[in-house]
Amino acid sequence: GENVEQHPSTLSVQEGDSAVIKCTYSDSASNYFPWYKQELGKGPQLIIDIRSNVGEKKDQRIAVTLNKTAKHFSLHITETQPEDSAVYFCAASRWRNTGKLIFGQGTTLQVKP
Amino acid sequence: GAGVSQSPRYKVAKRGQDVALRCDPISGHVSLFWYQQALGQGPEFLTYFQNEAQLDKSGLPSDRFFAERPEGSVSTLKIQRTQQEDSAVYLCASNGGFDEQFFGPGTRLTVL
Repeated sequence: GENVEQHPSTLSVQEGDSAVIKCTYSDSASNYFPWYKQELGKGPQLIIDIRSNVGEKKDQRIAVTLNKTAKHFSLHITETQPEDSAVYFCAASRWRNTGKLIFGQGTTLQVKP
Repeated sequence: GAGVSQSPRYKVAKRGQDVALRCDPISGHVSLFWYQQALGQGPEFLTYFQNEAQLDKSGLPSDRFFAERPEGSVSTLKIQRTQQEDSAVYLCASNGGFDEQFFGPGTRLTVL
């Protein structure tokens, strides 16, 4: 069935360092790949997304890359700040089909001041 | 503007009780999704509505789970005869025709 694997499960970095989170998906029909940040007691919030016709997208300190052949995508956060500490989820969906999101297991990012 | 709201934020139920969880999507959003998030896990899809039509309920774990959206706006997720394994955060998301799903804060259900 549809599955998204996410690594690592926890990540600790020093403030100012970069953080990379990787995901692999199984459904080759997936065409939309969002990344969500979830803080304690809150719902997931979209931070960046990428569609299957694009290989890379950047928004200030955040970038996402997609390799459709290998069926994996990655989140890159540069110049990390303490407020980046949260749980990050990758997801995949067949947008324009059902739109349901298949989530990874999550990565707890800790940025140490 | 107002985002997705959910109520109650917290619900404690005794095993065997019925519960009803409410979702108010962003006004005008056609699509509405319910997800279940167990502690320390990613959200898992439960069901999907387009307006009042429930187009996908493949993620509902058992026939004790029922969702409705009778007028195409507010949605209710009902769980009958709750069991301990139903304890989780229930998230609602809505979508206005583009890619992004906007999530509510969730309802944390604890079944004792």
